[in-house]
Amino acid sequence: QKEVEQNSGPLSVPEGAIASLNCTYSDRGSQSFFWYRQYSGKSPELIMFIYSNGDKEDGRFTAQLNKASQYVSLLIRDSQPSDSATYLCAATTGGFKTIFGAGTRLFVKA
Amino acid sequence: DTGVSQNPRHKITKRGQNVTFRCDPISEHNRLYWYRQTLGQGPEFLTYFQNEAQLEKSRLLSDRFSAERPKGSFSTLEIQRTEQGDSAMYLCASTQGNNQPQHFGDGTRLSIL
Repeated sequence: QKEVEQNSGPLSVPEGAIASLNCTYSDRGSQSFFWYRQYSGKSPELIMFIYSNGDKEDGRFTAQLNKASQYVSLLIRDSQPSDSATYLCAATTGGFKTIFGAGTRLFVKA
Repeated sequence: DTGVSQNPRHKITKRGQNVTFRCDPISEHNRLYWYRQTLGQGPEFLTYFQNEAQLEKSRLLSDRFSAERPKGSFSTLEIQRTEQGDSAMYLCASTQGNNQPQHFGDGTRLSIL
């Protein structure tokens, strides 16, 4: 069974701090990786995607991918209370099959 | 771009009834996905269409579930003889091409009494 694993949290950080969210995946054939944010009762919203090893930055968000270690991470700089949500990591294999982790709950304290 | 649209937003029904959900993807997207999500879990893959062809269906999906995408536009997901365990959020997503991000609709929340 191909899996994506995340720590369920909650991860609690003070406002203005860096939040670090981690994810591992089991299928070495995975080609693309995504981070989604999901507020309670809402649907997932795309935050970042990354295809190549290394870092990708977009505003306060940085995604990191290490295919050798089968590891993906998301850093959120200058965390805000509005960032409090569940963050879903996802990996796509074969161009179309996307497997989601169970998500990490992030709580940013004001 | 009006986004992915799903309806109804909420469905409450008695056990044993049939329900049907609709999804309208982003117009230029040729790929459409259905997922099921329960509390504390990530979206669980149910099925996938490329245009009108249903290319994969999860082995977790029982024979009570069926999905269609006539003409490669909107899609419907039908659950027959609903059971308590079918209570969940049913999410639709669409995308264009390989390895691209999926865009989700607001989901249909199903509650079985």
